[in-house]
Amino acid sequence: NAGVMQNPRHLVRRRGQEARLRCSPMKGHSHVYWYRQLPEEGLKFMVYLQKENIIDESGMPKERFSAEFPKEGPSILRIQQVVRGDSAAYFCASSREGTGINSPLHFGNGTRLTVT
Amino acid sequence: QKEVEQNSGPLSVPEGAIASLNCTYSDRGSQSFFWYRQYSGKSPELIMFIYSNGDKEDGRFTAQLNKASQYVSLLIRDSQPSDSATYLCAGPNAGKSTFGDGTTLTVKP
Repeated sequence: NAGVMQNPRHLVRRRGQEARLRCSPMKGHSHVYWYRQLPEEGLKFMVYLQKENIIDESGMPKERFSAEFPKEGPSILRIQQVVRGDSAAYFCASSREGTGINSPLHFGNGTRLTVT
Repeated sequence: QKEVEQNSGPLSVPEGAIASLNCTYSDRGSQSFFWYRQYSGKSPELIMFIYSNGDKEDGRFTAQLNKASQYVSLLIRDSQPSDSATYLCAGPNAGKSTFGDGTTLTVKP
């Protein structure tokens, strides 16, 4: 499968634990984006990364959230000390270059995080 | 003001009718727009993009862009129950895509 791969599909964490969400972009894509979707709401931009660089993190909460896209391996979205309000679907998307008509987003299947 | 807005509430149309979905945007410099479809519990999938004023047709789908009015729409002709989903409008913004909140379409048999 050459699509965007996210894992795990479902993640359950107790309050205070850490959540790590992984995303491998589509083959040939070097731009990765993370979005969060709360139930019955739209997609909210979190962070935009290229290999070893954070391009735009304007949508990331200031505390507890971090993201990386190392030279080797998948992109990681890390949430420390999770709270119930972090329960959501987290989608990763990738594109060949910055989003445009020649470089649309391709989404992974998402990770559904549940905080108990 | 949000960069991309979809103000209409849930939309319900009978099978075979035309469904009209609308989106406005705030940045006059925006050049292109995307429509994504998201089935319940699934990830968004791209269905159309448009970058020129006017209409763009692809099968039963027509995207319309009016840059003067900063307005984007998606028409679905001969709506089918399988078109029931949430439709998301998105515009590029400094390399990333900004999404509207979506319009949920229900096509009744």
